[in-house]
Amino acid sequence: QKEVEQNSGPLSVPEGAIASLNCTYSDRGSQSFFWYRQYSGKSPELIMSIYSNGDKEDGRFTAQLNKASQYVSLLIRDSQPSDSATYLCAVNSAYGNNRLAFGKGNQVVVIP
Amino acid sequence: ETGVTQTPRHLVMGMTNKKSLKCEQHLGHNAMYWYKQSAKKPLELMFVYSLEERVENNSVPSRFSPECPNSSHLFLHLHTLQPEDSALYLCASSQGAGTETQYFGPGTRLLVL
Repeated sequence: QKEVEQNSGPLSVPEGAIASLNCTYSDRGSQSFFWYRQYSGKSPELIMSIYSNGDKEDGRFTAQLNKASQYVSLLIRDSQPSDSATYLCAVNSAYGNNRLAFGKGNQVVVIP
Repeated sequence: ETGVTQTPRHLVMGMTNKKSLKCEQHLGHNAMYWYKQSAKKPLELMFVYSLEERVENNSVPSRFSPECPNSSHLFLHLHTLQPEDSALYLCASSQGAGTETQYFGPGTRLLVL
């Protein structure tokens, strides 16, 4: 079982719509969860971190964490063309001595 | 300079060459990391340094040799690489080597011929 799994395939959303990304993880002991955004040819940049169950909002981004179901999601409201990127889910994992494990990423394409 | 910087940004080398990648962080962090990012694969952690001491080596081939002379600088020495080593090599830093947020440098795009 992969440590961190993200849905495959690009997600196309019209400009102004909500983009929804999901991530599941295997280590029940994980405590820290991150979403990074990576533009093509660039390095990952942190957009959200979440540590407690529930929602955390930052501007147009909302992270949702459900530890019982072992998933974390990211909502992007009012999607803009500048949101077109790959979004990486990262989870700290005891399997890796408490290091961050990354998913493969979800590509989001916002269509004007 | 701010954040995490990496040089060179692009590197082409033959399989018999020796080269080094450099990373510098200006954030006052105590932990630094090397990651490899290949197409269609998740980020792969290669090495972790905490307070200049290597705390993790994720079964990386010996043709990759890290060096951390102080908490602000991290090197990755490369020798006799293979074409499959072509990838984006990312350096990151964090306050501690546990669950803290990691900040990434711009990466070095490496092509091995």
